[in-house]
Amino acid sequence: QKEVEQDPGPLSVPEGAIVSLNCTYSNSAFQYFMWYRQYSRKGPELLMYTYSSGNKEDGRFTAQVDKSSKYISLFIRDSQPSDSATYLCAIAKAGGYSTLTFGKGTMLLVSP
Amino acid sequence: DGGITQSPKYLFRKEGQNVTLSCEQNLNHDAMYWYRQDPGQGLRLIYYSQIVNDFQKGDIAEGYSVSREKKESFPLTVTSAQKNPTAFYLCASSLNPGTGTDTQYFGPGTRLTVL
Repeated sequence: QKEVEQDPGPLSVPEGAIVSLNCTYSNSAFQYFMWYRQYSRKGPELLMYTYSSGNKEDGRFTAQVDKSSKYISLFIRDSQPSDSATYLCAIAKAGGYSTLTFGKGTMLLVSP
Repeated sequence: DGGITQSPKYLFRKEGQNVTLSCEQNLNHDAMYWYRQDPGQGLRLIYYSQIVNDFQKGDIAEGYSVSREKKESFPLTVTSAQKNPTAFYLCASSLNPGTGTDTQYFGPGTRLTVL
């Protein structure tokens, strides 16, 4: 079983839709969770960071973590064509030095 | 204007040649990283460095080499031993290595193509 699983998509939605992007992970040692957005042929940019179960909101974006289910989500409200990108989840372990483990990314397409 | 710069943006290499990709940051971050991104593969860690003059192999270090002589610079050399070097290479840096709260910030990437 891979450490992080993420559906590659593409996920196609109309403008204004609520988008749900998800990752599952296998190791309960992972305690820190990030979402990155990557436009085509660009470097990833950090969108959200969280370390606790529950929701964290930033504008139209909400990151949700369920540690009991080892499941993390990113919700995008009122999606815009400019949200069309690949979204990568990244997770890190607690305690000592830990590099990030990335999901393979989900491609999102928002049509006008 | 703080950030991470990578050069060149596009690089073409003939088989058997070594090439060096540049990564510079002016964020005063201690840690720097190199990733390779292939379609459908996600980001895979090549090398990382937590401090000047020290670096560690990542998951796919074979055929690559790095140096960290200065805090702000972490060049990656793709050697002729790397059998399939065509990929998108991303450099990242982070402020607090050794903590789970350490978030990484990425450069714009270099696309390497072997002719």
